[in-house]
Amino acid sequence: DVKVTQSSRYLVKRTGEKVFLECVQDMDHENMFWYRQDPGLGLRLIYFSYDVKMKEKGDIPEGYSVSREKKERFSLILESASTNQTSMYLCASSLGFGNQPQHFGDGTRLSIL
Amino acid sequence: DQQVKQNSPSLSVQEGRISILNCDYTNSMFDYFLWYKKYPAEGPTFLISISSIKDKNEDGRFTVFLNKSAKHLSLHIVPSQPGDSAVYFCAASASLQAGTALIFGKGTTLSVSS
Repeated sequence: DVKVTQSSRYLVKRTGEKVFLECVQDMDHENMFWYRQDPGLGLRLIYFSYDVKMKEKGDIPEGYSVSREKKERFSLILESASTNQTSMYLCASSLGFGNQPQHFGDGTRLSIL
Repeated sequence: DQQVKQNSPSLSVQEGRISILNCDYTNSMFDYFLWYKKYPAEGPTFLISISSIKDKNEDGRFTVFLNKSAKHLSLHIVPSQPGDSAVYFCAASASLQAGTALIFGKGTTLSVSS
């Protein structure tokens, strides 16, 4: 079974802090994704990566950056956290694009105070 | 503009009856469709998928139907069980377009009462 592990289940940070969310997958998947889930808005794609050191913006990249130095690890960075970034963050990986399902981690509930 | 729409935010069904969750899409390039289930405080779990070359795919109690002409798909759960209570997300992709990610709907919350 695919295992996608997010480093923290719950995280509380302060406005203006630089925040790192880490994600690791163990199935040698090429593609990795970061989403945020908010009530009534579903899953919105922040960034994705299709190879080491490669990244693509999703629908809502503003205020975020990502890093993929190794194939199994994909980090989401909040450069200067703001209260509107309080959300559930979900990491996913997939073997390919189009016709392959994405496998999700359990999410990080991030609160920015 | 939303490319994948789940127009019903919620659905309530009695145990043992059929649950039907609906999803509409607008992009004619979409050719692969998936359903995910999500419990609170957990990540979405892949449930079932269908390629556009098919109009039906079945896995146990779960069946997905695809109507390409109407750009509509539905997930049928028969019989519904209380453990099926969760948020269900529909997702779609254009598999021939390299580098495209899944597009998700906003979800439908299913409540199955015993």
